[in-house]
Amino acid sequence: QVQLVQSGAEVKKPGASVKVSCKASGYTFTNYALHWVRQAPGQSLEWMGWVNSDKGHTKYSQKFQGRVTITRDTSATTAYMELSSLRSEDTAVYYCARECAHCSGSYDYWGQGTLITVSS
Amino acid sequence: DIQMTQSPSTLSASVGDRVTITCRASQSISSWLAWYQQKPGTAPKLLIYKASRLESGVPSRFSGSGSGTDFTLTISSLQPDDLATYYCQQYNSYGLTFGPGTKVDIK
Repeated sequence: QVQLVQSGAEVKKPGASVKVSCKASGYTFTNYALHWVRQAPGQSLEWMGWVNSDKGHTKYSQKFQGRVTITRDTSATTAYMELSSLRSEDTAVYYCARECAHCSGSYDYWGQGTLITVSS
Repeated sequence: DIQMTQSPSTLSASVGDRVTITCRASQSISSWLAWYQQKPGTAPKLLIYKASRLESGVPSRFSGSGSGTDFTLTISSLQPDDLATYYCQQYNSYGLTFGPGTKVDIK
């Protein structure tokens, strides 16, 4: 069965960076793009960017351009999202999500989420 | 970016009621709209894609309609398991955007 398993919760200080991993299994990794979406406490969902799992091409939200880097390791079937220059407003649950093949643009499988807390 | 709005922000209904949630885009997105259900402490779940197509495994009491800028999600007969927050998402153009959500309570 398809699974996306993310790395565990982290606490970071303002100005630091964080790298979250998303391990995929149960499908051919290179056939599906992976996106990153975050959700601040009590807030809606916010798209951050995506990676073409085959070629490694990326596209980022303008809001995060320059601060976010999304990569993938095909041999490890894992995607990564690194966010730098963290500030308190970056406290959120970060999700990876698989872009659906038959419903391109929407997400049929999600990771369990990773809570990133930014606090001094 | 395309802005998404939803109404109402919260609603309370009884089991068996017909429930309708509205989503509006700031510009035309054709039918490139999805609906998700999110229960507390869990990841969102895809219900509807391309405005009206039911994702596999989703109960048939969920349906979607609309195109252009105005969309609706309908639950034909509300069940206790439907307690959740519902989000619309446009994927017509980058940056992809979500609505603010509609929280559904059971009376």
